[in-house]
Amino acid sequence: EVQLVESGEGLVQPGSSMKLSCVASGFTFSNYGMNWIRQAPKKGLEWIALIYYDSSSKYYADSVKGRFTISRDNSKNTLYLEMNSLRSEDTAMYYCANGLTGSFDYWGQGVMVTVSS
Amino acid sequence: DIVLTQSPALAVSLEQRATISCKTSQNVDNYGISYMHWYQQKPGQQPKLLIYEGSNLASGIPARFSGSGSGTDFTLTIDPVEADDIATYYCQQSKDYPPTFGGGTKLELK
Repeated sequence: EVQLVESGEGLVQPGSSMKLSCVASGFTFSNYGMNWIRQAPKKGLEWIALIYYDSSSKYYADSVKGRFTISRDNSKNTLYLEMNSLRSEDTAMYYCANGLTGSFDYWGQGVMVTVSS
Repeated sequence: DIVLTQSPALAVSLEQRATISCKTSQNVDNYGISYMHWYQQKPGQQPKLLIYEGSNLASGIPARFSGSGSGTDFTLTIDPVEADDIATYYCQQSKDYPPTFGGGTKLELK
């Protein structure tokens, strides 16, 4: 059974940093592109970052480019999202999901990030 | 970016048919494949893939869900609607980067 389990949830002040993790199981993690997708409270879904299976390429949404960094450790089956210079508009549920060029086949349960003073 | 437009809500009766539409600002077909996907999200849960590449049923999804359309006009059909189907449905395109989602259609009971 495919499982994606995020961690790192929390409340932080504007301008601060935070790092999310996503541990994968039930599939060959090192063969799959991985993504972070977020959902602001009562809002729709926004894709924010993709990393290729071998970390050779990374892509970001304009809304987070230069502030967020996606990375992975295939030896630990773990995906990361380092978030810097956080803003109130980054407040959202953050999901990891697998997929490279098409659909997002499996999603984690999500972690809530709240940016507020 | 490609913009996807969905109606905010749709009211339907149990055991009837629900048709949820998604219109895109650009053609999302390429070489005969529609890069359109559909997800279901229930309150407090993560989205779940229902349909990929326009009309292909994802693993474990009941056959009462189906997808159709091409180019810029796509439809998710649920027939018949069951109580467990009350949720918000999102379309998503992967034809061009960045991947984008529609605003979601909340399926409600009449």
